Amino acid sequence: RKEVEQDPGPFNVPEGATVAFNCTYSNSASQSFFWYRQDCRKEPKLLMSVYSSGNEDGRFTAQLNRASQYISLLIRDSKLSDSATYLCVEGSGTYKYIFGTGTRLKVLA
Amino acid sequence: EPEVTQTPSHQVTQMGQEVILRCVPISNHLYFYWYRQILGQKVEFLVSFYNNEISEKSEIFDDQFSVERPDGSNFTLKIRSTKLEDSAMYFCASSESRPTHSPLHFGNGTRLTVT
Repeated sequence: RKEVEQDPGPFNVPEGATVAFNCTYSNSASQSFFWYRQDCRKEPKLLMSVYSSGNEDGRFTAQLNRASQYISLLIRDSKLSDSATYLCVEGSGTYKYIFGTGTRLKVLA
Repeated sequence: EPEVTQTPSHQVTQMGQEVILRCVPISNHLYFYWYRQILGQKVEFLVSFYNNEISEKSEIFDDQFSVERPDGSNFTLKIRSTKLEDSAMYFCASSESRPTHSPLHFGNGTRLTVT
């Protein structure tokens, strides 16, 4: 089983829609997770850190379900500028961050 | 806002040549990393560095790769004899604390093209 798994998408949604991505992880002891946004040929940029049950920042909400070992990202009122790849990242207990493959989102006008 | 800076932004080299990719991590960060991303693929871990030594490395980080922190600010990745399959975007990153406690901050990346 892969350490961090994401549906690659693409998710095509109309402007204004609510969209949710899930990410599953295999290490039940993991404590910290992050969502990053990556635009084409650019560096990943931190969107949100998730250390406990969840986090909210404006239109973005992340939730951590430890029992089922998944993290979700909810985007409300999608904007055209939200089109990007969203990366789920596990902050492992060792000295590395483990990346999922990313989920592509396209917000359509 | 403090940034991780990388140079050059694009490096073209011939197979078999040595390349050095340079990075200046955020000044108060203690943990440094190199990741790479082949076009269209996932971000892959190469190596982490803490307290002037390698903390962890992946299978990709073989004897052709090395890292160095030659002074108090720079962090470099050297590829001794480049192969075609080394063509990728190389990202330097740093974190204030361990992965369990703080997020990763990336530089803009160096696009390495091996011909």
